[in-house]
Amino acid sequence: EVQLVESGGGLVQPGRSLKLSCAASGFTFSNYYMAWVRQAPKKGLEWVATISTSGSRTYYPDSVKGRFTISRDNAKSSLYLQMNSLKSEDTATYYCASHPNNLFDYWGQGVMVTVSS
Amino acid sequence: DIQMTQSPSLLSASVGDRVTLNCKASQNIYKNLAWYQQKLGEAPKLLIYNANSLQTGIPSRFSGSGSGTDFTLTISSLQPEDVATYFCQQYYSGYTFGAGTKLELK
Repeated sequence: EVQLVESGGGLVQPGRSLKLSCAASGFTFSNYYMAWVRQAPKKGLEWVATISTSGSRTYYPDSVKGRFTISRDNAKSSLYLQMNSLKSEDTATYYCASHPNNLFDYWGQGVMVTVSS
Repeated sequence: DIQMTQSPSLLSASVGDRVTLNCKASQNIYKNLAWYQQKLGEAPKLLIYNANSLQTGIPSRFSGSGSGTDFTLTISSLQPEDVATYFCQQYYSGYTFGAGTKLELK
């Protein structure tokens, strides 16, 4: 059974940093592109970052480019999201998702990030 | 950026009804469209990809159609467990989601 479990969320002040983690199991993690998708409270979904199987290629929308960094450790079947210079508009539930063929096919349960002073 | 517009934003229907949800892209995305179901308090679940391909394990009462800019998700016979918010997503250029259609029981 595919499992994706996010951790590392919490309350952080504007301008500070936070790192999210996602532990994967039940599939061959190193064979899959992976992604982060977020959902602001009572809002829609927004793609945040994508990483290739080896980690050599990463992709971001303009809203987080230069502030967020996605990375992975295939030996640990783990995905990460380093978030710097956080803003109030980054407040959301962050989901880790497997990302084959441009789809988001399995999702974790999400972790809440609140940016507030 | 490609914008995705879903309609209606709220839909009320009865058990057994045939339900149609709409999604419109701001430019031609061919068939690069997926549909997701999100139940309250849960993560989204992939239902349909390539506009009309059913994801493994999804009941056959769900179907998708369309290409270009106009797409439809149809539930042939609404079940109580289908109460959820449904999102469309394009993957022709980057990835953008619609704002969602909330489906409730009448």
